[in-house]
Amino acid sequence: DAGITQSPRHKVTETGTPVTLRCHQTENHRYMYWYRQDPGHGLRLIHYSYGVKDTDKGEVSDGYSVSRSKTEDFLLTLESATSSQTSVYFCAISDPGLAGGPGMADTQYFGPGTRLTVL
Amino acid sequence: KQEVTQIPAALSVPEGENLVLNCSFTDSAIYNLQWFRQDPGKGLTSLLLIQSSQREQTSGRLNASLDKSSGRSTLYIAASQPGDSATYLCAVRPTDSWGKLQFGAGTQVVVTP
Repeated sequence: DAGITQSPRHKVTETGTPVTLRCHQTENHRYMYWYRQDPGHGLRLIHYSYGVKDTDKGEVSDGYSVSRSKTEDFLLTLESATSSQTSVYFCAISDPGLAGGPGMADTQYFGPGTRLTVL
Repeated sequence: KQEVTQIPAALSVPEGENLVLNCSFTDSAIYNLQWFRQDPGKGLTSLLLIQSSQREQTSGRLNASLDKSSGRSTLYIAASQPGDSATYLCAVRPTDSWGKLQFGAGTQVVVTP
């Protein structure tokens, strides 16, 4: 299994409070991703990073921010949590460079997930 | 916008029967398609990745086919076992979204002994 950990694994918080989720990898993969998974929606990309300090938005980025100051860590922050952000959050990593570059095989490896409940 | 659909949403089969899972996508401009398995309360595990230039990939009892022109992929699991019970998701990587995947909602499979 790819060395990906997420913390915390479970969190209950109240509306309006800030929340930070952490993803840590030991694989030295260049790309890191944050997804959320909701019933009926599958997985949707929130933000992703293609290198240290290089990040971009996914399809559901409103209300979320990210930071990546080291290769191994990717942080997801909810500045002011809302009930609509109750979800399971997954981190993933990949490194297309290992397979020869853009367009080539780039399997994504997922962390165990963080279950966030916003009351 | 790319749409990925998996039908049916749930499937129950007796042990030993072959499983056939379907995935369809609306835009054929993809780099690759991946099949994942997700156990309850767990993360996703990659099963197979098919590049856009390939027609199929095999791993053990698993075989995945890709027909890019018709926007379809099928995952076959031979001689199903109770341990195959899980949710199976497919995801495509569009050519206009470097590194990003578009997921289907998944098919929940139950294999009964």
